[in-house]
Amino acid sequence: EDKVVQSPLSLVVHEGDTVTLNCSYEVTNFRSLLWYKQEKKAPTFLFMLTSSGIEKKSGRLSSILDKKELFSILNITATQTGDSAVYLCAVEERNYGQNFVFGPGTRLSVLP
Amino acid sequence: DSGVTQTPKHLITATGQRVTLRCSPRSGDLSVYWYQQSLDQGLQFLIQYYNGEERAKGNILERFSAQQFPDLHSELNLSSLELGDSALYFCASSVLVGDTQYFGPGTRLTVL
Repeated sequence: EDKVVQSPLSLVVHEGDTVTLNCSYEVTNFRSLLWYKQEKKAPTFLFMLTSSGIEKKSGRLSSILDKKELFSILNITATQTGDSAVYLCAVEERNYGQNFVFGPGTRLSVLP
Repeated sequence: DSGVTQTPKHLITATGQRVTLRCSPRSGDLSVYWYQQSLDQGLQFLIQYYNGEERAKGNILERFSAQQFPDLHSELNLSSLELGDSALYFCASSVLVGDTQYFGPGTRLTVL
């Protein structure tokens, strides 16, 4: 059965800390891995990763994919209280159509 | 604001009833996705449409159906509702299949 595992499930840090969120997966016909940030309501897109070893960056956030070991990490440096959210990892697989398998999310709390 | 609109914002109904959720994608987006988010199951992909045609099915129950109309808006129909159908239902849209998805604010369905 396809699955996506995220760790840790919950994390509390102080402003200025650096955090690493993990996502491992087992899916057939992998196409891409996506990271989303979910605050109060709708998820917002962060990154889409399709190739191993190529780091994607957006400000203080960065992510990388390892297709051999089947995992991805999301790094957030110099965390701010506004980074507090649930971070979702999803894997897109392609068979005859698309399917998206989501992990349970990591709840990040950044304290002032 | 992602540009994706969903109506209604909240819906309260009784078991056995049928409801219709509506989604208008961002201007220019041809692909629409439906997701269900509940406390115990997390975020789950239900179904995808592209330019009026069904493209992919995820964990969608037979009691649920969807369609995308010529003007590209989409409706998700939920019938014979059960208590376990209570959840947040998100619609997302993208320009093409495989592009970044932008999520709407969601419809919160409560089945009593």
